[in-house]
Amino acid sequence: DQQVKQNSPSLSVQEGRISILNCDYTNSMFDYFLWYKKYPAEGPTFLISISSIKDKNEDGRFTVFLNKSAKHLSLHIVPSQPGDSAVYFCAAGNTGFQKLVFGTGTRLLVSP
Amino acid sequence: NAGVTQTPKFQVLKTGQSMTLQCAQDMNHNSMYWYRQDPGMGLRLIYYSASEGTTDKGEVPNGYNVSRLNKREFSLRLESAAPSQTSVYFCASSEWYEQYFGPGTRLTVT
Repeated sequence: DQQVKQNSPSLSVQEGRISILNCDYTNSMFDYFLWYKKYPAEGPTFLISISSIKDKNEDGRFTVFLNKSAKHLSLHIVPSQPGDSAVYFCAAGNTGFQKLVFGTGTRLLVSP
Repeated sequence: NAGVTQTPKFQVLKTGQSMTLQCAQDMNHNSMYWYRQDPGMGLRLIYYSASEGTTDKGEVPNGYNVSRLNKREFSLRLESAAPSQTSVYFCASSEWYEQYFGPGTRLTVT
C-alpha cells in the first residue's frame, strides 16, 4: 500500500515557465512533508519542507503548497531553469517518528 | 565537513557472497538510515537507527542486517547476496525531519 504517491513519472517544461510537481498521500497522521531533488549518480538533496500547520512555504524559486483536506501537496518552480532537470521525490513523516515515506519520484526535464 | 560518506561506490557480487556497506556521518546526528532505490519504486527504508545502540526494521529488511557501531557509523550487511538485491543503496542521517543522504553504493548481484 503506497502511502505517498507521485502519479506523474515525468514532466517536460520549457525554460522560464512554471514547473508543477504533484504528490498525494493517504495517511492522515503525516504532519510534515519534504521535497528532495536527485541528480544522476548522486544522493538526494533536501529542497524544501512544509509542516501541516501551514499551507504554503516559499524559498526563492521554489514554493510548496499543502492541501490537507485533499491530502495533496505540490511543488512549484518558477521560473524553471535547465539546471532544475532532475528527479524530484516527495516525502512525508509524522512528528515523533523520524522515518520518512517517499514517493516514487517525478523526472523533470527543463529544455532551453 | 564531508557530511555522509559511503563506501564502496560500486560493487559486483556473485550470488551467495557476503559484503558490508559502510556509512559514516560527521554532523553529530542521532538518527541514521539505510534505503534502497529501484526503478519505479522510489526510496524504500531497509533499516534505521534512532540513536546509538538501537536499530529497527524498515519496509524491506529481509536479507539484510545492520550495525550501529557508534554515533558516526552505521553499516549494512548482506550475508548471502541474491540478484533481487541488485540496487542502489543510500545511507542518510538526521537530527530531526530533514535527512541528509550519502552519494550511494551501486550494487550488482549476478
